[in-house]
Amino acid sequence: ETGVTQTPRHLVMGMTNKKSLKCEQHLGHNAMYWYKQSAKKPLELMFVYSLEERVENNSVPSRFSPECPNSSHLFLHLHTLQPEDSALYLCASSQTEVETQYFGPGTRLLVL
Amino acid sequence: GESVGLHLPTLSVQEGDNSIINCAYSNSASDYFIWYKQESGKGPQFIIDIRSNMDKRQGQRVTVLLNKTVKHLSLQIAATQPGDSAVYFCAESHILTGGGNKLTFGTGTQLKVEL
Repeated sequence: ETGVTQTPRHLVMGMTNKKSLKCEQHLGHNAMYWYKQSAKKPLELMFVYSLEERVENNSVPSRFSPECPNSSHLFLHLHTLQPEDSALYLCASSQTEVETQYFGPGTRLLVL
Repeated sequence: GESVGLHLPTLSVQEGDNSIINCAYSNSASDYFIWYKQESGKGPQFIIDIRSNMDKRQGQRVTVLLNKTVKHLSLQIAATQPGDSAVYFCAESHILTGGGNKLTFGTGTQLKVEL
C-alpha cells in the first residue's frame, strides 16, 4: 500500500449536493496534486499545491474548489457538479525537488 | 506542443514471455519520464523512471529504454507474470515555477497475461 490515502473511496452525489474529497499523505512530502481520470482518457492534472500554496490550476471549472490546510492534507470541495464530472479522482504527492509522484487509490465519483 | 501517446491500447502475452510496451512523446525538451502501473481499483503505482541523460535503466524485472532521437520510450518486463496484468502509463514531467511538477500522461496500454 502507498503512503497516500483518500476518502471516501466511492461517492454518489446529486447535481445540487455539496461534498468534499479528502487526501492525506504520510510520506513527508511538500507538494500535493489532484488528477481526474475518466474512462479512455489520459489522467488530467487539475491542481498543484507546493508548500501549501496553489501553483497550478489547470483550467478547472469553479465547481471544483481545492484546499490545502497543511502539507499532509488536501481537499477537493465539490458543488453543483455535472454528470460529466463522474470519474476517478486521484490524489498524489511528491517532494518539490523530486519529480516522482506517488498516488492514492482514488475516489470513484458518480454524479447523478 | 507536448503530448504523450502509446502505440497499442492492448497487449496480450503468454506467462513467462517478455513484454514490451511502447510510448512516444513529442516534446524534445522533456527531461524526465516515468512509467506507472495501474491495477483495477487502484491508483497508479510507480515502476521506474529515467532522465534524458540516460538511454537505459534497469529495475527488478523491468527495463526502460529511451531513444531521444525518435522521442520514444519503451518498458520491458521480463518473464511476465499474471500479477503484471494492469494498465501501464508513461508520463513526462515538467517542473513548475512555483514548485512541484506537472506529469502529462498517455492513454495507457492494457497488458493481459495469458496462462
